Amino acid sequence: SQQGEEDPQALSIQEGENATMNCSYKTSINNLQWYRQNSGRGLVHLILIRSNEREKHSGRLRVTLDTSKKSSSLLITASRAADTASYFCATDSQGGSEKLVFGKGMKLTVNP
Amino acid sequence: GAGVSQSPSNKVTEKGKDVELRCDPISGHTALYWYRQSLGQGLEFLIYFQGNSAPDKSGLPSDRFSAERTGGSVSTLTIQRTQQEDSAVYLCASSLETRLAGERTDTQYFGPGTRLTVL
Repeated sequence: SQQGEEDPQALSIQEGENATMNCSYKTSINNLQWYRQNSGRGLVHLILIRSNEREKHSGRLRVTLDTSKKSSSLLITASRAADTASYFCATDSQGGSEKLVFGKGMKLTVNP
Repeated sequence: GAGVSQSPSNKVTEKGKDVELRCDPISGHTALYWYRQSLGQGLEFLIYFQGNSAPDKSGLPSDRFSAERTGGSVSTLTIQRTQQEDSAVYLCASSLETRLAGERTDTQYFGPGTRLTVL
């Protein structure tokens, strides 16, 4: 069953601009993670934010979490052409089987 | 290697044939997951193994799909009597059970996937 939903589904920006991707989910969570996928192959973990955290940074990445709105955002600052990829949010469910449920993903294109 | 490996990387088969896809997780990882990703789509959860617990098979789309994990390590996903709609990339991931203040905070490490094409 779908838990996370990324928005927008596709985003095209110029190099140097910031990219913001949003994720909404339905049930209470313990944590939310963002992953990146290049070329339709394996995903790479970017960042994890716990349910009691509101903001987290990692390099050019900034993640926020609003549990009252059941939403998260991923901000990539000063984007580069190499950031072109699909980005997925993934959530676990409190009281569930502890597996992650991934959204459908969002395609980011950074034009040089 | 230190990462998750999958084989074969590509598999072309005829409708009705059985296929086996293999996943070698990172050594010591207790959790193993299988996902399916159709072209341009998100990840569809298939099955989840955690240690010696009974696997969570809730994502398997039909009884033609099955998976085993032998000795808590290598896993095989079997698709019997393949159909054209089974064509997809099959991704495997493993993780080490990690808890922070009692909550799971696992990071999943993905293999490169197997691209299955059913003609």
